[in-house]
Amino acid sequence: GDSVTQMEGPVTLSEEAFLTINCTYTATGYPSLFWYVQYPGEGLQLLLKATKADDKGSNKGFEATYRKETTSFHLEKGSVQVSDSAVYFCALSDPNTNAGKSTFGDGTTLTVKP
Amino acid sequence: NAGVTQTPKFRILKIGQSMTLQCTQDMNHNYMYWYRQDPGMGLKLIYYSVGAGITDKGEVPNGYNVSRSTTEDFPLRLELAAPSQTSVYFCASSYGGNQETQYFGPGTRLLVL
Repeated sequence: GDSVTQMEGPVTLSEEAFLTINCTYTATGYPSLFWYVQYPGEGLQLLLKATKADDKGSNKGFEATYRKETTSFHLEKGSVQVSDSAVYFCALSDPNTNAGKSTFGDGTTLTVKP
Repeated sequence: NAGVTQTPKFRILKIGQSMTLQCTQDMNHNYMYWYRQDPGMGLKLIYYSVGAGITDKGEVPNGYNVSRSTTEDFPLRLELAAPSQTSVYFCASSYGGNQETQYFGPGTRLLVL
């Protein structure tokens, strides 16, 4: 079945540091790929997405590129802020149905210190 | 718009009790989902629905039931609660299928003792 593997956390960075959170996936076909963010006590919200190979999703300074050849969708940000502290989830949407059934990674907790 | 709302926010159940987790969305989305999130883990799909009157099992449906009588509501029923059902439950909705963003509710924290 489909699976998503994320870089294990937690990750602790100083403000203005460079962030990379690795995400690789296994799926038959061509899934859509997503990064969701979860702030403490809240539900998940979309950070960015890419729906086909070589697409780059971007939002709020975060970027991720859909790499079919390496089955990866790594999240990057050039300069993190304290407000970026949250849990980040990589997810894919099952390409074999059109029901939006999604598989999530285990999440990576990011803490940014001033 | 309220988006996706869930009630209750927190509940303690005794083993063997039953309850219904409520989920309502006001975005006129056809697709709705129930997930559970265990500590330190990602979300696991319990049930989903692609429209009123249509539901199907996800990855971890045992011990749960759903119904979808209207576009707006997608309640999740727990029968005979077990400690293994202690988790945070999230409801989500989306406009369409695989390329669409899912919009999540704030979650219901359930403790089964």
